[in-house]
Amino acid sequence: GIQVEQSPPDLILQEGANSTLRCNFSDSVNNLQWFHQNPWGQLINLFYIPSGTKQNGRLSATTVATERYSLLYISSSQTTDSGVYFCAAEETSGSRLTFGEGTQLTVNP
Amino acid sequence: DGGITQSPKYLFRKEGQNVTLSCEQNLNHDAMYWYRQDPGQGLRLIYYSQIVNDFQKGDIAEGYSVSREKKESFPLTVTSAQKNPTAFYLCASSTMIRGKLFFGSGTQLSVL
Repeated sequence: GIQVEQSPPDLILQEGANSTLRCNFSDSVNNLQWFHQNPWGQLINLFYIPSGTKQNGRLSATTVATERYSLLYISSSQTTDSGVYFCAAEETSGSRLTFGEGTQLTVNP
Repeated sequence: DGGITQSPKYLFRKEGQNVTLSCEQNLNHDAMYWYRQDPGQGLRLIYYSQIVNDFQKGDIAEGYSVSREKKESFPLTVTSAQKNPTAFYLCASSTMIRGKLFFGSGTQLSVL
């Protein structure tokens, strides 16, 4: 099955800083999604982005399917951005999403 | 408000006991899923269902069972055959398979 690797595993920022999270996947995909899990366990879908670029406020994501990676950009980080960010991908021939192990982000005031 | 409701929030299981986790959605989604999350790890798929009265095993189905008698409901039973059930369980749904995934707030299951 597809392998999904996220980096870095941990990231600590000061409020106001920018950051880039990376997701590499081992096969061609037709489904790629980014999620944020808050400290209480709730998972929120940030982007559905099998290819191209999308923006939502301070967050944006880019997936380069031909090179098998996706990037999540967080600008002007806030303490409420803290939590774990997951990337999940589904290979073209597959039938389910495979999650990476996540990036733990801590934003300090 | 539309959403996915999981209950209970916390659940304790005794040795040899089966327990059932509830998941209800009012988003009119066809596909529903159960994931397991262990501390510091990603999510692993237990079971999924694309339509009523049909479901498929995910990557870690052993020791679990599900039913899909109604479109809105997808309960998960953790059986006594699951020897290491302590984990955070998340239910999700999407309009169709490969659609954007939405999650409930989760159930923390612990063993007494």
